Amino acid sequence: QSVLTQPPSASGTPGQRVTISCSGSRSNIGDNTVHWYQHLPGTAPKLLIYSNTQRPSGVPDRFSGSKSGTSASLAISGLQSEDEADYYCATWDDSLNGWVFGGGTKLTVL
Amino acid sequence: EVRLVDSGGGLVQPGGSLRLSCAASGFTFRSYAMTWVRQAPGKGLEWVSTLTLVGDTTYYADSVKGRFTISRDNSKDTLYLQMNSLRAEDTAIYHCAKQSGGSRWNNFDHWGQGTLVTVSS
Repeated sequence: QSVLTQPPSASGTPGQRVTISCSGSRSNIGDNTVHWYQHLPGTAPKLLIYSNTQRPSGVPDRFSGSKSGTSASLAISGLQSEDEADYYCATWDDSLNGWVFGGGTKLTVL
Repeated sequence: EVRLVDSGGGLVQPGGSLRLSCAASGFTFRSYAMTWVRQAPGKGLEWVSTLTLVGDTTYYADSVKGRFTISRDNSKDTLYLQMNSLRAEDTAIYHCAKQSGGSRWNNFDHWGQGTLVTVSS
């Protein structure tokens, strides 16, 4: 059971917009910034969004992040087949004194 | 270009030890906090340990506390994870990650490909 709750799966057709939610509590999302990672198993995870809403250079603006209270969301617009991957939210937890990840959401492009 | 190369994984018996290494290049290694994250088969990413620049403070997940030790050798640009008293549930791919700054709160902006640790008799 992960400290941060994500839906296990999400899907969409090419060109569609999908959102992935990440729910936590005051000690993690409520008081710290959220980061999102894209991961294809067997490869190095990739930073997609940092500090709730910021995109690293090279990440397309189709990817966006938001945070409100103890929840955060990742939105992907103009879905492409190459977006098929696992997506994880992560943040520091002040109560656990460590990093916590969501359980991951497997995105399928139909 | 930032590069992180994980190595040292392998098959080890329960109760055994293993030391993982993460060779860094392409950035000033001594200026950044570093972290280990693992992924067990069929499971999601799990944070293992972080080493910051703030007094070289270390943090560990409860699941590995007292058994694993994170360290670094800035003269070799290398991060280590000493794993003792290994259990079957430690079986996973272990990734090192560079943080974007020196503190525990900084995001993981670059990751290694990972090294597989299998704990089995």
